[in-house]
Amino acid sequence: EVQLVESGGGLVQPGGSQRLSCAASGFTFSSYAMSWVRQAPGKGLEWVSAMSGSGGNTYYADSVRGRFTISRDNSRNTLYLQMNSLRAEDTAIYYCAKDDPAGVAIAGTFDSWGQGTLVTVSS
Amino acid sequence: EIVLTQSPATLSLSPGERATLSCRASQSISGYLAWYQQKPGQAPRLLIYDASHRATGIPARFSGSGSGTDFTLSISSLEPEDFTVYYCQQRYNWPFTFGGGTEVEIK
Repeated sequence: EVQLVESGGGLVQPGGSQRLSCAASGFTFSSYAMSWVRQAPGKGLEWVSAMSGSGGNTYYADSVRGRFTISRDNSRNTLYLQMNSLRAEDTAIYYCAKDDPAGVAIAGTFDSWGQGTLVTVSS
Repeated sequence: EIVLTQSPATLSLSPGERATLSCRASQSISGYLAWYQQKPGQAPRLLIYDASHRATGIPARFSGSGSGTDFTLSISSLEPEDFTVYYCQQRYNWPFTFGGGTEVEIK
């Protein structure tokens, strides 16, 4: 069974940094691209960033490019999102999502999701 | 950026009725569209991928159709657990984008 467990959320001041983690199990992690998707309170879904299974390809939404960095450690089956220069509008639940199918650099279909971790940016 | 517009924003129906949700893209996305269901307090769940393919474990009452710019998610006979929010999402072009969502509520 695929499991994705996010952690690292919390309250952070504007301009601050936070690192999110997503621990994966139940599948061959290195074979699948992964994404981060966020949801502001009471709002819709926004794709944030994606990384291929090998880590060789990364993509970002314009709203976070230059501030957020996606990475992964395939030996630890873990995906990360380093968030710097945080703003109030970054307040959201952050989900990690598994891409499908395997073997494609980044397909963009999210077949499994974690439960999310809440990041609140406020002074 | 490809904009996805979902309509209606809210759909009021009774259990057993048929639901038809629409998603329109600002440019052609071929068939690269997915539908997700999200219940309150839960993560989204993949229902349909590539416009018309049901994801693993999704009941047959859910179906998707369309190509180009116009897509439809149909629920043939609404069950109580189907009253929630649905999102479409395109993977044709970067950045991946989601529609604003349609809430299916009990009439």
